Amino acid sequence: AQSVTQPDIHITVSEGASLELRCNYSYGATPYLFWYVQSPGQGLQLLLKYFSGDTLVQGIKGFEAEFKRSQSSFNLRKPSVHWSDAAEYFCAVGESSSNTGKLIFGQGTTLQVKP
Amino acid sequence: DAGVTQSPTHLIKTRGQQVTLRCSPKSGHDTVSWYQQALGQGPQFIFQYYEEEERQRGNFPDRFSGHQFPNYSSELNVNALLLGDSALYLCASSSPQGGYGYTFGSGTRLTVV
Repeated sequence: AQSVTQPDIHITVSEGASLELRCNYSYGATPYLFWYVQSPGQGLQLLLKYFSGDTLVQGIKGFEAEFKRSQSSFNLRKPSVHWSDAAEYFCAVGESSSNTGKLIFGQGTTLQVKP
Repeated sequence: DAGVTQSPTHLIKTRGQQVTLRCSPKSGHDTVSWYQQALGQGPQFIFQYYEEEERQRGNFPDRFSGHQFPNYSSELNVNALLLGDSALYLCASSSPQGGYGYTFGSGTRLTVV
């Protein structure tokens, strides 16, 4: 069965420090992978997605993620965190057999940014 | 260009009651998906509607039903509400040509007491 695991429920980093949020997936074929961000009381905003090709993908707000098939991972990174990055981050996998299939989300990682 | 609009934003219901949530998709989108997000959890797929028919369904009981109208808007109905149905309900719209280009609404916060 498809699944997504985000091992870190809560992460705190200092403003200006680098960030890496971990995501591991389980999927039989090449997955479609996504990172979303959710601010309190808001819906989900897409940060970036991976379908195929270059395994390092760039997203909005200075985020990037690297797909590593051998590790079944799709970790999100940012070189320098801003206070406005504090939010909930979700990794998701989509069915590659369809481009409108359901998304399976991880539990999420809450990011706190210290001044 | 309006994104996905959901109504109401909040509501409180009593156990056993029925509730209807509404979603207007982003302009140009014809597919609507519904997700349930319990507190502290990631969203879980409920079902997806396309061409006024349920195309996919997640692991939710029949108490959860939906509808899509000719203008692509959608409703989520939940009957016989349980305390465990308290959650944020998210609507996401897309189009087959969009390549997983989902746009999410801000959600409806349902509290069952």
